[in-house]
Amino acid sequence: GESVGLHLPTLSVQEGDNSIINCAYSNSASDYFIWYKQESGKGPQFIIDIRSNMDKRQGQRVTVLLNKTVKHLSLQIAATQPGDSAVYFCAENGSGGGADGLTFGKGTHLIIQP
Amino acid sequence: KAGVTQTPRYLIKTRGQQVTLSCSPISGHRSVSWYQQTPGQGLQFLFEYFSETQRNKGNFPGRFSGRQFSNSRSEMNVSTLELGDSALYLCASSEGTGGEKLFFGSGTQLSVL
Repeated sequence: GESVGLHLPTLSVQEGDNSIINCAYSNSASDYFIWYKQESGKGPQFIIDIRSNMDKRQGQRVTVLLNKTVKHLSLQIAATQPGDSAVYFCAENGSGGGADGLTFGKGTHLIIQP
Repeated sequence: KAGVTQTPRYLIKTRGQQVTLSCSPISGHRSVSWYQQTPGQGLQFLFEYFSETQRNKGNFPGRFSGRQFSNSRSEMNVSTLELGDSALYLCASSEGTGGEKLFFGSGTQLSVL
């Protein structure tokens, strides 16, 4: 079946820099995308979501960009802080509109260097 | 509002046993979904319940089952445990269905020996 994937399993950034986490999806029928942050020992925490009728959405220090032409999703974190260290997952709702649950990527581990 | 609560936090079982995990959703949320998380397979959808009815089911064997009660609390059961069932089992709740804006609990870490 089709799945969501991430380009890099690990991303290391300097504290204070901006972080960009990428995600490629293959299911062109997906119309809803979501980013989660998972810290060690915790469940995934909702960060931001976006529908396919949008190409950009901003939250507090985070921005999600959606490029449907190349089926690419990215999460930008401004002024990265030590508390941003976690594994980040993108997810899509698939061709069934979420009927098969969310399909998650493998995750990118964001490491913050002092 | 209290978040999604899962119990127990940790569980150790042996092969062949069965296990029941519990989940209390966020107040007002009527949908509860269950996911399995392993290092090798990542997060995989098990099933979703809404108003006490199973709406969707992932690609897992019949040993995995669940139910939802009238207060939206949910349980999942795994019978005849196998070593490969060792995983973090995550429950998520949402206001509606379709996987949108799922809010996850901290999970139950199941180890099968």
